[in-house]
Formats: sequence, C-alpha cells, structure tokens
Amino acid sequence: QVQLQESGPGLVKPSETLSLNCAVSGYSISSGYYWGWIRQPPGKGLEWIGSIFHSGNTYYNPSLKSRVTMSVDTSKNQFSLKLSSVTAADTAAYYCARQGYYGSGGYYSVGYSDYWGQGTLVTVSS
Amino acid sequence: SYELTQPPSVSVSPGQTASITCSGDKLGDEYVCWYQQKPGQSPVLVIYQDYKRPSGIPERFSGSKSGNTATLTISGAQAMDEAAYYCQAWDSSTTSVVFGGGTKLTVL
Repeated sequence: QVQLQESGPGLVKPSETLSLNCAVSGYSISSGYYWGWIRQPPGKGLEWIGSIFHSGNTYYNPSLKSRVTMSVDTSKNQFSLKLSSVTAADTAAYYCARQGYYGSGGYYSVGYSDYWGQGTLVTVSS
Repeated sequence: SYELTQPPSVSVSPGQTASITCSGDKLGDEYVCWYQQKPGQSPVLVIYQDYKRPSGIPERFSGSKSGNTATLTISGAQAMDEAAYYCQAWDSSTTSVVFGGGTKLTVL
C-alpha cells in the first residue's frame, strides 16, 4: 500500500521560507511517477504547486515559480518543497501526492494524483 | 491563464443522477481527472483519463468528455457522496497542472 506523509513546521513567519518533506512508503520513488505538492487555503479550492520526477525534472506553477524549489532524495525515498518569502496568502493545508504522467520522448504531461498524504496545515504569521 | 470552470454547487435527491461539468477551451486536448473531497479529508481520485475508474471507486461514478467539456456523473447518488468535487487537467502551453474551482454536491 502506497503511503505518503508530510512533515514540517506548522507555523512560519512572514518573509521566511516554508520547508516541507514528504516521506513515501510502499513504493520506490525511483520506480516512476511524478511526485507533487498541492495546497488548499482554508475554505478554498485546490492549487497545484509543482511536480518532480525522480530524475529531478520539475514543473512548477507559473504563479509560484520564482519562489518554489522542489527536490527528491531517492536514498531516503522522500521529496521536499521549499517556498520562499512567504506571506499570509501562503497559509494553507499542503498535500503531497503521487502523480501519473503521459507522454514520451522527453516531454511529459502530469496527470492524476492517485495517492495523497493526509495534509499538513501551515500558517504564516508573526 | 488557463481556467477550468465548474458550477459552484449542484443539488440532487438521493437515488437520482447528479452531473457536474468542467469546461475549458483546451480540455479536448488533454486527459481530465476528478477528485472527491469530504470536509477535513484529503482528496480522493474518482475518475482519471476522462472516464477510467480507480480500483475501489463505486460504479455509480462515471466520467465522459465531449469537446471542451468534461462531465462527472453520479448515478443513484447517496448521502455519502455529498462532498466537493474538483476536475483537473494539464495545460500544455504553460506546462502546468490546472484545477477547476470545485463543485459542492449536496444530496438532499
């Protein structure tokens, strides 16, 4: 059974960097799939943050791209998110997920998220 | 930026059929998937690749797509189906994942 678990601080100060990890069990990150981060502000809809392949290839949300860095550690079977210069607008539940993809020849499109973590609430406040 | 449009809310009586639409001007070019999210829970994938149902998802959930509009249909809706539903697709022009705004399904 594939399981994902987010971890990281629940409170981050404005202008600082939000850092989260996602530990994967029951599946090797190196075996395939993209691995993504999605967030949801309280009472609002889902927003994709970005996705990473085990090779390190990334796709980022254009509206967040300048502040987002994702990385993968295959030895620990986990991947991570860093979001810099946070403001109150970044307060949200952050989810990690396994993501299917389509395509070949070096161009891939990220598709469905079939396994999700339980989510972690990150509040940006001084 | 590319947008996927869903109705904010849909109501259905128990046992009846609910249809939730998702429209986008490039939807015909990419696969669509759908998620169900109940309050306080993580989203659950209910449809992928336009119409495929993951293991464990009841047969009353089905997906279809015609042109630039995708539809999630719940046949014989049950009280347990009351939730928010989100569509998702890929935007090739910006190489990004896009979500619809979500639809709150009420079963009453």
